[in-house]
Amino acid sequence: DIVMTQSPDSLAVSLGERATINCKSSQNILYSSNNKNSLAWYQQKPGQPPRLLIYGASARESGVPDRFGGSGSGTDFTLTISSLQAEDVAVYYCQQYYDTPGTFGQGTKVEIK
Amino acid sequence: EVQLVESGGGLVQPGGSLRLSCAVSGLTFRNYWMHWVRQAPGKGPVWVARINSDGSSITYADSVKGRFTISRDNAKNTLYVQMNSLRAEDTAVYYCAKGQVGSSMVLFDRWGQGTQVTVSS
Repeated sequence: DIVMTQSPDSLAVSLGERATINCKSSQNILYSSNNKNSLAWYQQKPGQPPRLLIYGASARESGVPDRFGGSGSGTDFTLTISSLQAEDVAVYYCQQYYDTPGTFGQGTKVEIK
Repeated sequence: EVQLVESGGGLVQPGGSLRLSCAVSGLTFRNYWMHWVRQAPGKGPVWVARINSDGSSITYADSVKGRFTISRDNAKNTLYVQMNSLRAEDTAVYYCAKGQVGSSMVLFDRWGQGTQVTVSS
């Protein structure tokens, strides 16, 4: 199975400041046939299911604020929250959907400093 | 509005069985691959199984193969998973989730609220 590793495990950021989360896959998850990375980011708040934020490494899901941005290709990816808001406190997961079983990272907890 | 509502969770003894259901509304259910995903306390989500639009193509995670059976009833807009020979490590919140229209990819753009399954004596 493809292993997804996130860093850091947690981070505290001041309101309005930038938050950056990294995700590394154990193998290339770029489909050569369509040049798209099979990488998604999810946000999960306590007691709620995960919410899809980003797919294809950088495409925002409908309704997701534009302060959330994804980048990267191949094996290294980044989720950036450009200006952290109070409602962004959550655990964030990366996930590869290149192949089953569609493995997730261990999660990164984002808090307010 | 798209809604996925799971039911059927509960406390079961090791070796027991449970059947979960997921009622889907707000979309043309038969157009979507559907998935079960579970999440143990304090852990990340783990994909469990998927089924295509007419039930003719099914894939399972190795950890549940031979014990779990995913199915669907398109007339009732409902997804199921029959879970047999349950183990303590199957304890988790179980979510149903939908993929993008017509896609088999294990990418989940809507999730239910989940149902708790606890396997304990």
